[in-house]
Amino acid sequence: NAGVMQNPRHLVRRRGQEARLRCSPMKGHSHVYWYRQLPEEGLKFMVYLQKENIIDESGMPKERFSAEFPKEGPSILRIQQVVRGDSAAYFCASSPRQLRNTGELFFGEGSRLTVL
Amino acid sequence: GESVGLHLPTLSVQEGDNSIINCAYSNSASDYFIWYKQESGKGPQFIIDIRSNMDKRQGQRVTVLLNKTVKHLSLQIAATQPGDSAVYFCAENPNTGTASKLTFGTGTRLQVTL
Repeated sequence: NAGVMQNPRHLVRRRGQEARLRCSPMKGHSHVYWYRQLPEEGLKFMVYLQKENIIDESGMPKERFSAEFPKEGPSILRIQQVVRGDSAAYFCASSPRQLRNTGELFFGEGSRLTVL
Repeated sequence: GESVGLHLPTLSVQEGDNSIINCAYSNSASDYFIWYKQESGKGPQFIIDIRSNMDKRQGQRVTVLLNKTVKHLSLQIAATQPGDSAVYFCAENPNTGTASKLTFGTGTRLQVTL
């Protein structure tokens, strides 16, 4: 059973370009979470999605950032008109159900975005 | 402007000794507390969790202690090995129902010396 797959692992963009980060959850998992991590810092929640629905986007900037998890295909985190401050590692995690009575998320290896 | 990252607190432990990593959490309503391990260049990996109605839980070589009075969580690693070198994060789950998510602490770097 493959784990959470993220791609690309590394992405370099110039200021003003768009970045698209993809996440395929573990088989059978329909809940996806995106977290952002700056160097030497903890993980900051961005958005929580279920298939075709955004459940909680309270951690995502209102401008330039969007996320989706279509019925078919991976979840995508999209950053438009990137700025240097967007440089970070973006982690996707999945779970088979809502996080009631548990704390176990399955994380991918992350996508490291560098904005020049 | 550009943000500056904080340096993670670091705990250095000799191989074979026990490690204790501490964490203060913020939400007294949180129902689950979890420890994650993140090795360099990798994603976080679940270690152990504990429910708020417990004060201790043991796993293989790891023990988590919860003190709700002072909102403190600790992870004890017995007989620390070089493979334990990583950054350790505590996380809390307020268990708010359909929108539950994990909130992570800042992390502690564990360095195991030979």
